[in-house]
Formats: sequence, C-alpha cells, structure tokens
Amino acid sequence: NAGVMQNPRHLVRRRGQEARLRCSPMKGHSHVYWYRQLPEEGLKFMVYLQKENIIDESGMPKERFSAEFPKEGPSILRIQQVVRGDSAAYFCASSQPGRGSYNEQFFGPGTRLTVL
Amino acid sequence: SQQGEEDPQALSIQEGENATMNCSYKTSINNLQWYRQNSGRGLVHLILIRSNEREKHSGRLRVTLDTSKKSSSLLITASRAADTASYFCATDANSKLTFGKGITLSVRP
Repeated sequence: NAGVMQNPRHLVRRRGQEARLRCSPMKGHSHVYWYRQLPEEGLKFMVYLQKENIIDESGMPKERFSAEFPKEGPSILRIQQVVRGDSAAYFCASSQPGRGSYNEQFFGPGTRLTVL
Repeated sequence: SQQGEEDPQALSIQEGENATMNCSYKTSINNLQWYRQNSGRGLVHLILIRSNEREKHSGRLRVTLDTSKKSSSLLITASRAADTASYFCATDANSKLTFGKGITLSVRP
C-alpha cells in the first residue's frame, strides 16, 4: 500500500507564473488536507477536501490559491501568479473517512516550491 | 494564535539518555498527535492520543495528555542518534491539525 504521493518534489517558478502541486492520497483515503511550511516554522493548515467538496478552506489565502479534489485523479493545489513569499514546502495529508476522533493523518513527502 | 506550542525549542542530549518534550495548547481538542520530521523531509506520524486518554505507549515512546492543564508530553527513552529530528505536536479540533513550531532534538553519539 503506497503512502501519500506528491509531485513534483521540487518546483521552481518565476514570479508571475503558475504552480500546480499534486497529491495522491493513500488507497482507501478520501479525505485530503494541504499544509504549508515556511522555513523554521511548523505546518499551517490551508484546506481540507473530500472528493469533489471543499470542507474547510479557512487557511487558504483569499486570492491566487485554489484547491480541488476531483472524483477521479489527484488533488491539486494551484497557485496563480506566484510571488517570492509563496516559497515554502507544501505538504499533503490524507485520512480515512469515518475515523471519528482518530483522524490519523498520513503525510506525503512534500513539494518544495521556490519562486525566483 | 498558535494552538500547539512545544517546549523546549531545542534539546541536545547524549545517546542513551531520555528526551522529554512538552506541548501546550489553548482550546478543546479531539485528539493530540506527535510527528517527527527529519531535515528536508516529510512528517512521520508517531502517536495519537485521544482527549479521553491520559497515557499511551508505543515502543520507546510514551505520551501523556492532561486536558485540565491543556498539555502533553512526549518521552523518548534510551535515545539513539537516529532520533535526531524535529518533533511537532498537533492538535485536532475539527479535523484540521494545528501544529506548533517544533522542537529540534539532537542526540549526540
């Protein structure tokens, strides 16, 4: 059973370009979470998705950032018109439905975005 | 505001010693989880303790939770050089995890 997969592992973009980060959850997991980690910081929650639904996007910047988790295929975190401040490690996590108070989240290896 | 705050920020010990890391939080939680992150890598889930549990063990790890004090501790016994990493506590209130800034543990061989 493969773990959470993210690609690319490293992404370099110039200011103004778009960044697309992909996350494939663990088999059997239908809940996906995106987190951002700045250097020397802990992870900050961005968005929580279930298949075709955004459940909680309270941590997402209001502009330029969007996320989706289609019925088929990976979850996508999209950052439009990137700026230097978007440089960070972006982690995806997944969990099983119906786990109640367990909600054990399994993390992918992350995508390290560098904006030049 | 930071939900999980770890203490100390950095800890350096000799191999074989025990390492104790603390975490405090502010609001009600469903559970509290501890993660490890090696430099430049992803997070590895270590242990989850539910709000109605007080202590949990997993191998060389022992986690306690005191909901009245809103605090948790992670004890790593008989530490090894391979335990060198950053450790994060994360609180789960409404499915999303809120992380502290982490504790950097260095285990000297």
